[in-house]
Amino acid sequence: GQSLEQPSEVTAVEGAIVQINCTYQTSGFYGLSWYQQHDGGAPTFLSYNALDGLEETGRFSSFLSRSDSYGYLLLQELQMKDSASYFCAVRDPSYNNNDMRFGAGTRLTVKP
Amino acid sequence: DAGVTQSPTHLIKTRGQHVTLRCSPISGHKSVSWYQQVLGQGPQFIFQYYEKEERGRGNFPDRFSARQFPNYSSELNVNALLLGDSALYLCASSLTSGRLDTQYFGPGTRLTVL
Repeated sequence: GQSLEQPSEVTAVEGAIVQINCTYQTSGFYGLSWYQQHDGGAPTFLSYNALDGLEETGRFSSFLSRSDSYGYLLLQELQMKDSASYFCAVRDPSYNNNDMRFGAGTRLTVKP
Repeated sequence: DAGVTQSPTHLIKTRGQHVTLRCSPISGHKSVSWYQQVLGQGPQFIFQYYEKEERGRGNFPDRFSARQFPNYSSELNVNALLLGDSALYLCASSLTSGRLDTQYFGPGTRLTVL
């Protein structure tokens, strides 16, 4: 079947580095996206990887390995405001055109 | 620039009723997608519309329907509401329906069915 797996919860302290992993199993694959969602808020786009390798955007980086069906989001210099849920999402052309399938989300708690 | 807007922000209905949710995309965006997000889960795809035509449909019953207007705004309709329809309904817009287009989400409508 088609699925995305990511840890349900991660806890880290301010200033630390945290990695949120995502493995996916889909019939097709266009790319892996990451979204951040604060409680009560809308998902906000963070990054998109279509090809293997690392994409860096400020304190956030995202990695993709298509051969391993695996990616991760790396958050550096953690701040309290980074406490949120993080979702990986896959564009699967075999799943209703090209819309996205989301993981269940990883709840990140940043402690002082 | 205004982002994606949705109305209403909150809604309480009873079982069996009908509901209409509205979405206005970012100016210049022609594609709108609807998602349902149950508490503690990721968004689930319901519909995508592009240029007023349905381009995709998720695994939802026929009680769910949608349409897109000439100004690219969209409505999601749900008939014969069930308790399980209680969720956050998210609208996302993108420039086109292309696979490389980033989707930008609105704040959502929280629907509670009693």
